[in-house]
Amino acid sequence: DAGVIQSPRHEVTEMGQEVTLRCKPISGHNSLFWYRQTMMRGLELLIYFNNNVPIDDSGMPEDRFSAKMPNASFSTLKIQPSEPRDSAVYFCASRRQGLYEQYFGPGTRLTVT
Amino acid sequence: SQQGEEDPQALSIQEGENATMNCSYKTSINNLQWYRQNSGRGLVHLILIRSNEREKHSGRLRVTLDTSKKSSSLLITASRAADTASYFCATDEGSRLTFGEGTQLTVNP
Repeated sequence: DAGVIQSPRHEVTEMGQEVTLRCKPISGHNSLFWYRQTMMRGLELLIYFNNNVPIDDSGMPEDRFSAKMPNASFSTLKIQPSEPRDSAVYFCASRRQGLYEQYFGPGTRLTVT
Repeated sequence: SQQGEEDPQALSIQEGENATMNCSYKTSINNLQWYRQNSGRGLVHLILIRSNEREKHSGRLRVTLDTSKKSSSLLITASRAADTASYFCATDEGSRLTFGEGTQLTVNP
């Protein structure tokens, strides 16, 4: 089992550029979560999907953030345009139906200059 | 704001000692989970305790839950240097988890 896969692991971009983060959940898991972790705000849930359908996006900061899950094995989180305050580590996690524990990917460290 | 609040924020102990971390929360929960995060890595699930359970054990981990006080504790016995990490409690309110701010545990060899 490869675990949750995220790419890229590190991203450095300039303010105003578009950033796309990618996630491949564990095969057979039907829920997918996107989190953001910063020193100031800790770990925040941005959005989660159940069976590829967005269920709760109340944590998405603003319209600059969007997330998609076109199929059960792939999800993207896009920031357009990016701003320095978006600098954080972004985690993707997945969960199997009927179970409660979430499995986290290694994260993408985003730096916006 | 974070549902769970860990206490203490940082804990430094010697190898072989026990480490106790506490978590308080505000609302009703289905279950409470503890996760570990090593520096620069993703979170790893450690243990889950359901709202109708009071205590649970897993290896060197012992978790308690007091729903009347809305609090939980995580005890790591006979700590090792490899236990050095941040530990987070997470409350499950139905589908989504809300994480606390974490306790940074340092185990000195």
